[in-house]
Amino acid sequence: DTAVSQTPKYLVTQMGNDKSIKCEQNLGHDTMYWYKQDSKKFLKIMFSYNNKELIINETVPNRFSPKSPDKAHLNLHINSLELGDSAVYFCASSRPTGKSTDTQYFGPGTRLTVL
Amino acid sequence: GENVEQHPSTLSVQEGDSAVIKCTYSDSASNYFPWYKQELGKRPQLIIDIRSNVGEKKDQRIAVTLNKTAKHFSLHITETQPEDSAVYFCAAGRGKLIFGQGTTLQVKP
Repeated sequence: DTAVSQTPKYLVTQMGNDKSIKCEQNLGHDTMYWYKQDSKKFLKIMFSYNNKELIINETVPNRFSPKSPDKAHLNLHINSLELGDSAVYFCASSRPTGKSTDTQYFGPGTRLTVL
Repeated sequence: GENVEQHPSTLSVQEGDSAVIKCTYSDSASNYFPWYKQELGKRPQLIIDIRSNVGEKKDQRIAVTLNKTAKHFSLHITETQPEDSAVYFCAAGRGKLIFGQGTTLQVKP
């Protein structure tokens, strides 16, 4: 009965490879997010989608491309992986933002290690 | 740009003591202030939140206060227990959340 799920949990890959992380939520939320948590534990927003539409796009390299096939799914594709991409990537979801801000529920995270 | 400063970065208390973590934010449009607890290797989990129309909120041993004029908010944990040991994050925003740098709380038995 998982609310926000991510796959894979761990991802180890070589520099230069392309990889994807998948996220799904069964909370009926309209908004989904990708966060990056670096080795210093700093949590930083990368992208946000509301009902399949991109609404937040922070300063993230073009090698990162989010895709939302429907409002319950938000995937993250990363091209030409670099050492600095190593981090834990968290997906999150919330109800529509609008004028109010709603609680964000986080997935379990994907630990990406680039060798 | 938007910024959230969180202090202290580490906090060590004796079991039963109180712990206080403070955050300041820069964006005056922020209207939502959640606090998350993250245990080692786990996801951040919401422990309490407050909205801009409220000055204080309490849930058992946890309380949060908000001063919108000064743009700062604080987390108070009373009667700390070893299981309170974790990294705590504050966040502020309106739609988009900006997170503080985190506070590692250690509660010694």
